[in-house]
Amino acid sequence: NAGVTQTPKFQVLKTGQSMTLQCAQDMNHEYMSWYRQDPGMGLRLIHYSVGAGITDQGEVPNGYNVSRSTTEDFPLRLLSAAPSQTSVYFCASSYSQGTVGYGYTFGSGTRLTVV
Amino acid sequence: TQLLEQSPQFLSIQEGENLTVYCNSSSVFSSLQWYRQEPGEGPVLLVTVVTGGEVKKLKRLTFQFGDARKDSSLHITAAQPGDTGLYLCAARHASGGSYIPTFGRGTSLIVHP
Repeated sequence: NAGVTQTPKFQVLKTGQSMTLQCAQDMNHEYMSWYRQDPGMGLRLIHYSVGAGITDQGEVPNGYNVSRSTTEDFPLRLLSAAPSQTSVYFCASSYSQGTVGYGYTFGSGTRLTVV
Repeated sequence: TQLLEQSPQFLSIQEGENLTVYCNSSSVFSSLQWYRQEPGEGPVLLVTVVTGGEVKKLKRLTFQFGDARKDSSLHITAAQPGDTGLYLCAARHASGGSYIPTFGRGTSLIVHP
């Protein structure tokens, strides 16, 4: 089925470890974003991309890197995991801003615990 | 950061009751979406509203966009346990550059059988 695929679904890391959260979409969407969701904080934007080769920082970018080498893939890298990065991470994609009235398609999330 | 305020934060009701949740900002929106998120899943788009005063219906859900495009409401008629979830609004403000929406913190709804 078409959509946004995130892997892994669950991950436990030790403080200081690095890892990459994978995100892939097969809808030819130009826009892709990473959000983290914490209790009482809603969805906070980490990084986003408006097309292959173009990325920018969101509201909470520190400790995370992204790249967008293809339209389909938008991995999120945790450089040196910290307990404050314990959260649920969502990847989302959408058509470009020229398409009025569209919305985001979200993946099912990655639940990350840093101990 | 332009904020979206959602109210109420929590809502616990019995099956069959009606309810309304709200999404407000001091800024004008160019478009607004409502999403529902079930436990353990990502948000799923319910509706997009674009025109001031617009009303859209999705079965028992009625979505309204304020005339001034600064607020929106979601009304559920005869709520059912399957309506349980987190309801999020997301908006692109009219003064924004690219379409990277701002999300509200959500209304957590529990419908008891």
